[in-house]
Amino acid sequence: GQNIDQPTEMTATEGAIVQINCTYQTSGFNGLFWYQQHAGEAPTFLSYNVLDGLEEKGRFSSFLSRSKGYSYLLLKELQMKDSASYLCAMRDAGRGSTLGRLYFGRGTQLTVWP
Amino acid sequence: DADVTQTPRNRITKTGKRIMLECSQTKGHDRMYWYRQDPGLGLRLIYYSFDVKDINKGEISDGYSVSRQAQAKFSLSLESAIPNQTALYFCATSDLTDGGNTQYFGPGTRLTVL
Repeated sequence: GQNIDQPTEMTATEGAIVQINCTYQTSGFNGLFWYQQHAGEAPTFLSYNVLDGLEEKGRFSSFLSRSKGYSYLLLKELQMKDSASYLCAMRDAGRGSTLGRLYFGRGTQLTVWP
Repeated sequence: DADVTQTPRNRITKTGKRIMLECSQTKGHDRMYWYRQDPGLGLRLIYYSFDVKDINKGEISDGYSVSRQAQAKFSLSLESAIPNQTALYFCATSDLTDGGNTQYFGPGTRLTVL
């Protein structure tokens, strides 16, 4: 089976840096996604890691360690608009109908204070 | 125009009624998904389809059915709605030829069952 764990809530101040961690357990791993979701809106794609290491996209970076079953999303120069839920999702490496399925964590609600 | 659209955006219905939620996409993706989201539980997969002739159950398919009428259309039905099906429902699409199989979400349908 699959299990994904991430903190429920985090807070930070404008201009700061915050790291949101995600740990996972699976029998077949094939990629780790991060999505951003503002309240009442659709999740939007932020990043994707399939190999170990850091992927940087502007103010957002995502890191993956496959051996440790661990990922983090790093948000720099926080802005008020970054207040949202951040969803960690793991892609299944199974065959046939399970190939490519995503399994989502429960999300981390980030609040950015002025 | 949005790539993934859902209708209706909001719906209030009564216990026992049949409800259909519709999803259309212009992305040309072959894969489509239906999720529900409840506070504190994250996104849970209801059904998914890899092409017009393919339907697969997700984690929580009981009480739901789907129809893939065309590559661009995937509808979700609640045959006899019950109050615990009150949730935010999202449709998503993806393309396996995209190396990451990133999923793109529609705006959501807020369903309330009284």
